Amino acid sequence: DTEVTQTPKHLVMGMTNKKSLKCEQHMGHRAMYWYKQKAKKPPELMFVYSYEKLSINESVPSRFSPECPNSSLLNLHLHALQPEDSALYLCASSQEGRGGGNTIYFGEGSWLTVV
Amino acid sequence: AQKITQTQPGMFVQEKEAVTLDCTYDTSDQSYGLFWYKQPSSGEMIFLIYQGSYDEQNATEGRYSLNFQKARKSANLVISASQLGDSAMYFCAMSLSRNSGGSNYKLTFGKGTLLTVNP
Repeated sequence: DTEVTQTPKHLVMGMTNKKSLKCEQHMGHRAMYWYKQKAKKPPELMFVYSYEKLSINESVPSRFSPECPNSSLLNLHLHALQPEDSALYLCASSQEGRGGGNTIYFGEGSWLTVV
Repeated sequence: AQKITQTQPGMFVQEKEAVTLDCTYDTSDQSYGLFWYKQPSSGEMIFLIYQGSYDEQNATEGRYSLNFQKARKSANLVISASQLGDSAMYFCAMSLSRNSGGSNYKLTFGKGTLLTVNP
């Protein structure tokens, strides 16, 4: 069983709605990630938090707003999304450190449908 | 820039047989990590195995082994004794070491191989 938990598993929202995806890990990892995955494609990195600070933003539209309340939690706030934003959103975490090869562990994902 | 190539969009294997999923990579960095992930239709991305660029021995994890050939820049995944539950999409991925100036936050993924295990 994954140690990165995501809620909700499925979310359907209208284009004017505001919703949030939530992620929690209890592995003591200090790096947390949001990935977006479209059907039949590999995941694409959206955001990276390191020690609760935003480290990487891969030019993601502002309708996606990440938040890291503490070292175990990561949220993705959604507002005014478009139908093309429908995808699987994967949360992940890893150890921090200068060395390479820090394994990134993923959650089960949240399936988002924008109608 | 780094690149991962998985040339097999789909593979079929009989239950209990072994299967090899191909992965080649391209990077000019000397320090990097190679990963394999399994993604069932449920969506979860499951970590399978890791190989560091300086590791001299091929990585193994249960029924999974990684055939690492550094000179050929290949990192093939071998699954022994296939099971029906192995049917899934398999992604090869690479990250760079910060020591080489890269970012070990960023995983570069291949396009994936869809494995089907037949009974």
